[in-house]
Amino acid sequence: NAGVTQTPKFQVLKTGQSMTLQCAQDMNHEYMSWYRQDPGMGLRLIHYSVGAGITDQGEVPNGYNVSRSTTEDFPLRLLSAAPSQTSVYFCASSYGGVGANVLTFGAGSRLTVL
Amino acid sequence: GEDVEQSLFLSVREGDSSVINCTYTDSSSTYLYWYKQEPGAGLQLLTYIFSNMDMKQDQRLTVLLNKKDKHLSLRIADTQTGDSAIYFCAERPDAYSGAGSYQLTFGKGTKLSVIP
Repeated sequence: NAGVTQTPKFQVLKTGQSMTLQCAQDMNHEYMSWYRQDPGMGLRLIHYSVGAGITDQGEVPNGYNVSRSTTEDFPLRLLSAAPSQTSVYFCASSYGGVGANVLTFGAGSRLTVL
Repeated sequence: GEDVEQSLFLSVREGDSSVINCTYTDSSSTYLYWYKQEPGAGLQLLTYIFSNMDMKQDQRLTVLLNKKDKHLSLRIADTQTGDSAIYFCAERPDAYSGAGSYQLTFGKGTKLSVIP
């Protein structure tokens, strides 16, 4: 059982380039989300999805797009990278029901924008 | 809006107990969580507590919840060097309020350093 898989683990971009961070889960979780982690800022929610075809914005959505065409995948797209998007990105998922609804995190993707 | 506060650093000697504190503001929080992040890794769930409980114990970990003061603590007994990590407190709002209730609000994390 792989859990939540993120690729790539590391990426360096130049300002203005685009890229997609991939996230896949094999736990049949309905809820998926993207966070960014910056020093002194903790974890901030970028976008989330409560099921295939449904996405919504989190706390810091500007500069990022998401889509959810399948239950398993939730890619995060940077259309025109900026240095302010240098960060560590985490994808997380949960079953989305009542109860503890524990989030399972991926290992993270470290992005540097020059 | 919701806010979760933690001190940023804690240093303890190996073998001592560590206590990491957290305060939250959302009185409708139903579940509160502690996550651990080791260097270069993602967050892993340590434990969670339901809001109608005031204590939960799991081996070396003890969670105390004071709902009146909106205060949560994590005690690690006999702290080991392998416990060195960042510990995040997180809250989940009303579990029955729809899709937004799946989201967790995280504190900024407490970096625990264990001195051998």
